[in-house]
Amino acid sequence: SAVISQKPSRDICQRGTSLTIQCQVDSQVTMMFWYRQQPGQSLTLIATANQGSEATYESGFVIDKFPISRPNLTFSTLTVSNMSPEDSSIYLCSVGGGNGYTFGSGTRLTVV
Amino acid sequence: QQQVKQSPQSLIVQKGGISIINCAYENTAFDYFPWYQQFPGKGPALLIAIRPDVSEKKEGRFTISFNKSAKQFSLHIMDSQPGDSATYFCAASMSRSGSARQLTFGSGTQLTVLP
Repeated sequence: SAVISQKPSRDICQRGTSLTIQCQVDSQVTMMFWYRQQPGQSLTLIATANQGSEATYESGFVIDKFPISRPNLTFSTLTVSNMSPEDSSIYLCSVGGGNGYTFGSGTRLTVV
Repeated sequence: QQQVKQSPQSLIVQKGGISIINCAYENTAFDYFPWYQQFPGKGPALLIAIRPDVSEKKEGRFTISFNKSAKQFSLHIMDSQPGDSATYFCAASMSRSGSARQLTFGSGTQLTVLP
């Protein structure tokens, strides 16, 4: 299965600022997925990123708040914009398909 | 709408005991049911998965039981060990025409295995 490197692993940010999270995969993949995991909660899909096209966002998530880039088949970034304390969560990228999905170790974001 | 319901929220088991976590789904279009194990500070890792054409799948100490008619599936951890202490998520996915499969997760079960 693919190996995912995600960074930063954690950050503490001031409200109103933005943070960009990077996800690097050791093999070429068609789809990359970004999830949010709020403290003690389950994982919620934010968007699906396909190389060469705009990301597809799930209900409740918008591009202005969570812009995503997918410049090639091994890399993607998620930006959390104009942050508020409610954005404090773990953000995870994932790749996969019919035989299973692999997750990065996540970025633990705290907004103060 | 929560499409995959998971219980219990937390579970404490003695070492050597059996841990059982249950999930129920609503959408009959789901055709892939994985379980993920997550340790603190780590991303979820695929533990075991099943497709609805079988009623049971076993890998080592981990077994999935699947009941298609009841739309339920469960994870059984035999001979539970302290190292199994983690959060477990069930999930479900389905193929979508023109779109990628996506996982719908249950709410998670925090398992503690006492030594």
